[in-house]
Amino acid sequence: DAGITQSPRYKITETGRQVTLMCHQTWSHSYMFWYRQDLGHGLRLIYYSAAADITDKGEVPDGYVVSRSKTENFPLTLESATRSQTSVYFCASSDTSGIREQFFGPGTRLTVL
Amino acid sequence: KNEVEQSPQNLTAQEGEFITINCSYSVGISALHWLQQHPGGGIVSLFMLSSGKKKHGRLIATINIQEKHSSLHITASHPRDSAVYICAVSGPGNQFYFGTGTSLTVIP
Repeated sequence: DAGITQSPRYKITETGRQVTLMCHQTWSHSYMFWYRQDLGHGLRLIYYSAAADITDKGEVPDGYVVSRSKTENFPLTLESATRSQTSVYFCASSDTSGIREQFFGPGTRLTVL
Repeated sequence: KNEVEQSPQNLTAQEGEFITINCSYSVGISALHWLQQHPGGGIVSLFMLSSGKKKHGRLIATINIQEKHSSLHITASHPRDSAVYICAVSGPGNQFYFGTGTSLTVIP
């Protein structure tokens, strides 16, 4: 299906475990973004990528790792999950940077126990 | 410090009322975005604007670059408009800054 998908949609894990959230888009958009959404904070940028093999930090990158070996995929890894990383994670894509709209995935609700 | 401030945080309206949500920002921007998030979480882009005014159905978005302010208006509100409305700006360095959202409930 065309669009942007995330998996899993829901994940429960334990403190210290590694978790990878997947994001896949079918539009061949250059830019991809990872956000977390927490009550009282709104959406905050974790990492973004301008193209395959190009990634950069956002506002809250600590504890997260990203890679982009293919244009269509942008996985986000929590190397050692902490309770403070309990959040809803959204992936988004855009065909350019700020001057075009972003298309959001459905979100992944992550709970770290 | 919040680069984007929205008001009000919560809004309850009767069906048919005219609704205004405000957004102020403090950074230089290349564009301002209005997003809608329904219960269940999906986020969709409503408008992207860098000047003037845009209209889509019952929704109108305006921006005043000099005053660093934007408004989202909903005319003839309907219960299906109930959602969280998020203002976001795309600023320098490919950064996006988001407001914390305005939760709108339209009562039949």
